[in-house]
Amino acid sequence: GESVGLHLPTLSVQEGDNSIINCAYSNSASDYFIWYKQESGKGPQFIIDIRSNMDKRQGQRVTVLLNKTVKHLSLQIAATQPGDSAVYFCAEIDSGGYQKVTFGTGTKLQVIP
Amino acid sequence: DVKVTQSSRYLVKRTGEKVFLECVQDMDHENMFWYRQDPGLGLRLIYFSYDVKMKEKGDIPEGYSVSREKKERFSLILESASTNQTSMYLCASSRLNYGYTFGSGTRLTVV
Repeated sequence: GESVGLHLPTLSVQEGDNSIINCAYSNSASDYFIWYKQESGKGPQFIIDIRSNMDKRQGQRVTVLLNKTVKHLSLQIAATQPGDSAVYFCAEIDSGGYQKVTFGTGTKLQVIP
Repeated sequence: DVKVTQSSRYLVKRTGEKVFLECVQDMDHENMFWYRQDPGLGLRLIYFSYDVKMKEKGDIPEGYSVSREKKERFSLILESASTNQTSMYLCASSRLNYGYTFGSGTRLTVV
């Protein structure tokens, strides 16, 4: 089976509830942030992004919140579905020069039917 | 549908073999990257390229080399495969100041 989810913090959510996944970033110069979803056996998939001139951005069932003061990023998934079960990780990008990208290690989301 | 294509989903190779992992993107992106992903370690950058025939070492380049002869293709080479190179390998591409598009990954097992 897929081992990418081992050793990760796990969030278990009942189907239909809202999920909140958090990410702390470290580089004050980071000005672009992305959330990725990685399903078992697949490559990471772009979900939503936000630039540092914004605090909130909404997509379809997903919202990303950015708090630059405490260097914190969160992903909110509304009405969580079984298909949302995956590993979610954030990426912070410093656009200066050759864009330094740092990936978080991820959170495993388990949706309970 | 734009995408990054990795030539193999699963590979099994013997210790000492020379291994080629191929990656092709159809988005005309300047930047291409090779990562490996291991449990508990997340994504670690092996090599990247910002232009044709250009390459830069990432965080863990030892035991690997790369080739970028054409803009759309970025190859990762394991000169002499070892068991500690058993991993999931992910290729990605991007435009400058935009996020990555990842391939589906190649799970390499070295025996």
